[in-house]
Amino acid sequence: QSALTQPPSASGSPGQSITISCTGTSGDIGSYNLISWYQQHPGKAPKLIIFEVSERPSGVPGRFSGSKSGNTASLTVSGLQPEDEADYYCISYAGSGSSSFYVFGTGTKVTVL
Amino acid sequence: QITLKESGPPVVKPTQTLTVTCSFSGFSLHTRGVGVGWIRQPPGKALEWLALIYWDDDSRYNPSLRNRLTVTKDMSRNQAVLTVANVDPDDTATYFCAHRNAEGNTGRSFDYWGPGTLVTVSS
Repeated sequence: QSALTQPPSASGSPGQSITISCTGTSGDIGSYNLISWYQQHPGKAPKLIIFEVSERPSGVPGRFSGSKSGNTASLTVSGLQPEDEADYYCISYAGSGSSSFYVFGTGTKVTVL
Repeated sequence: QITLKESGPPVVKPTQTLTVTCSFSGFSLHTRGVGVGWIRQPPGKALEWLALIYWDDDSRYNPSLRNRLTVTKDMSRNQAVLTVANVDPDDTATYFCAHRNAEGNTGRSFDYWGPGTLVTVSS
């Protein structure tokens, strides 16, 4: 099972918007809405910022949003802030029944210029 | 408040079996739909999903590593355990455990994570 494909890097100035893609297949992203996004700062555990494609946990700023079209999920950060500089990972449920599993994306390093 | 913490040996020799324990509080693995997932991250590399054990002892594994992974739980100690058999240097990573929610305000996601424990495979 291959990892979901994310761009290695993305960048923007404070206040700008960026969108990170996460491309999978019909066996994972294309079939399920169990897609989450995580933010990871250096040396820290990942933090959940989006679940079930577009839902935000309480406490996560509204500038983070998620969507899905076909086999590709996307994370948009609107109004980029310096503290948004981090690595971002998507994850999707995959397979089916007793052979189901989860698969992460390759990760995207976001730089705030 | 949900918390998790991983513990394991800092160094394991090649061909040995690696065992990482996840001690948790603030939730019960008796609750329907709840699980504990395992994820690892080699130094400087991406996250890799490994396995998941559910409240009813059902388990799921990464297809690429399935034959080397085993997940179990000890309800009396509020612990989950991951074993990785026949390790080699490519298994060097920070190992994380995470609470897999059943429903509610974080859906069916891995919403709470432990800080991780670094395990190095070296002779």
